Amino acid sequence: KNEVEQSPQNLTAQEGEFITINCSYSVGISALHWLQQHPGGGIVSLFMLSSGKKKHGRLIATINIQEKHSSLHITASHPRDSAVYICAVEFTDKLIFGTGTRLQVFP
Amino acid sequence: DAGVTQSPTHLIKTRGQQVTLRCSPKSGHDTVSWYQQALGQGPQFIFQYYEEEERQRGNFPDRFSGHQFPNYSSELNVNALLLGDSALYLCASSFGRGQWRQFFGPGTRLTVL
Repeated sequence: KNEVEQSPQNLTAQEGEFITINCSYSVGISALHWLQQHPGGGIVSLFMLSSGKKKHGRLIATINIQEKHSSLHITASHPRDSAVYICAVEFTDKLIFGTGTRLQVFP
Repeated sequence: DAGVTQSPTHLIKTRGQQVTLRCSPKSGHDTVSWYQQALGQGPQFIFQYYEEEERQRGNFPDRFSGHQFPNYSSELNVNALLLGDSALYLCASSFGRGQWRQFFGPGTRLTVL
């Protein structure tokens, strides 16, 4: 069993829809990261959070430490949001990644 | 201000060969981490270098080794290449030991035939 599980694995949406990607983990962590990976490989860090909620533009990330769960929300999705979204957790001086959620937003 | 750069972009090797990948961190960063990402998978942590020493290591065999230079740039060496080593190798830099707010490079795509 992977320490970090993401759902769904694949997601398609129409432009304008509200998107939710989930991340569950099974270990005690010091922080959780949400990352975005575009085709070709480049990874961009979106959020790092250890409690509560963070917002940046149309992106919102929440974490519930007791339930070992985090969500990434995209409001008013746009085709340029199409990418792989990866959750990663900081655990014993290592960073453990989920396998990612592939999002495609169609016009 | 240049971000994280990696070279080469693509590389093709045959089984048993050795390969060296290079990474220059973002200006002001002193910590470099390396990751292996197989197709369709999330990145796997290989190791992290800080102050020219390997500080943390993931579950990778000794065939994977690295080095950090005084200017904070880093190399990843893989010996006795296996077909399963084919992957995207990502370098990320950050400031400070154990800091995981990282900037990622574009990666090196390694194909082992």
